[in-house]
Amino acid sequence: KNEVEQSPQNLTAQEGEFITINCSYSVGISALHWLQQHPGGGIVSLFMLSSGKKKHGRLIATINIQEKHSSLHITASHPRDSAVYICAVRSMETSGSRLTFGEGTQLTVNP
Amino acid sequence: DTAVSQTPKYLVTQMGNDKSIKCEQNLGHDTMYWYKQDSKKFLKIMFSYNNKELIINETVPNRFSPKSPDKAHLNLHINSLELGDSAVYFCASSQSRRAYNEQFFGPGTRLTVL
Repeated sequence: KNEVEQSPQNLTAQEGEFITINCSYSVGISALHWLQQHPGGGIVSLFMLSSGKKKHGRLIATINIQEKHSSLHITASHPRDSAVYICAVRSMETSGSRLTFGEGTQLTVNP
Repeated sequence: DTAVSQTPKYLVTQMGNDKSIKCEQNLGHDTMYWYKQDSKKFLKIMFSYNNKELIINETVPNRFSPKSPDKAHLNLHINSLELGDSAVYFCASSQSRRAYNEQFFGPGTRLTVL
């Protein structure tokens, strides 16, 4: 079982819908990252969280350390949001700066 | 001005060959990484260097050898390529090895072994 589980694996939405992607992890962490991988393959860091909530434009990321759970929300979704969204954690139990990744959520937003 | 660059972007080669992928970052970061993304899009850490010193070496076959000539460069050399090495390889960097540093990714190198 992967230390980082994401749901759903695939998500299809209509333009304008509110989207939530979930990430659960089983280890103590020092930080959690949300990444976006474009259809062309490039990876961009969206958020890095250790507590609470962060907002950037239409994207909101939250984390609940006690429940070992994070969510990525997209408000007023747009076809250009179509991408793979990846959750990754920096475990406190491992040394160095290793990230452990979830398997990603493929989001498709239809016009 | 590209922050993390990799060359080549595509690499097609025969089994048994030796190949290298180069990575350079112009962000002044101390820490660099190599990740492998398999056909199911699953990312996994391979190596990490901090100021030219190896700090992470996952269970990777010793046919893979990273080399960091300076802290702006982390190259990946692969000997005796096998079919299973086909994947996309991403280089990344962060300001330091601390947990709270964002990682910046290169565009990836798609390696196909025939």
